[in-house]
Amino acid sequence: EAQVTQNPRYLITVTGKKLTVTCSQNMNHEYMSWYRQDPGLGLRQIYYSMNVEVTDKGDVPEGYKVSRKEKRNFPLILESPSPNQTSLYFCASSLLGNANEKLFFGSGTQLSVL
Amino acid sequence: GENVEQHPSTLSVQEGDSAVIKCTYSDSASNYFPWYKQELGKRPQLIIDIRSNVGEKKDQRIAVTLNKTAKHFSLHITETQPEDSAVYFCAAGITGGGNKLTFGTGTQLKVEL
Repeated sequence: EAQVTQNPRYLITVTGKKLTVTCSQNMNHEYMSWYRQDPGLGLRQIYYSMNVEVTDKGDVPEGYKVSRKEKRNFPLILESPSPNQTSLYFCASSLLGNANEKLFFGSGTQLSVL
Repeated sequence: GENVEQHPSTLSVQEGDSAVIKCTYSDSASNYFPWYKQELGKRPQLIIDIRSNVGEKKDQRIAVTLNKTAKHFSLHITETQPEDSAVYFCAAGITGGGNKLTFGTGTQLKVEL
């Protein structure tokens, strides 16, 4: 089944403790992206990747890192999480990274930073 | 950069009534406008989209209209059903390289029995 898989679904952590949210897609998509969803703010792009070893900042990249060493994986790294990073995170992918392509979203990761 | 405003933030309708969600965008270069539906606890999913060379597009009970001059587009849902209850996001982007979609802030639609 074609899908984007995120783990974990729920994560509670403390300020400053490094964490990684994994994202994997099995559709051979070139493009992958991370969004955060906050009430009243919608979906905001954190980072995106057009291909292996190519990553770029989105609208809210501060406090996040990403890597794209393999085509299928695009982990989101929070080196020193802070409470303002408490949010619902979505990974998404599309075939080539054109704006008019359907985005396939993962099931989301609800992160709470205490 | 692009700015997309979406209204209303919440919308409650009776089953069978119509629902309309409106979005405005700022970048006149934007030419692709998708709508995503997010059911409670689920991931967003594309339900319909429209390109700037088309004024209206329909898919069963869902339609989207686009006014390029005014830079606004709307989602219309007719004969609403309880399963239409969800958060709806509009977005705007420019076709070509670099998937840069800017999303609206979302509309929580509740269809009441």
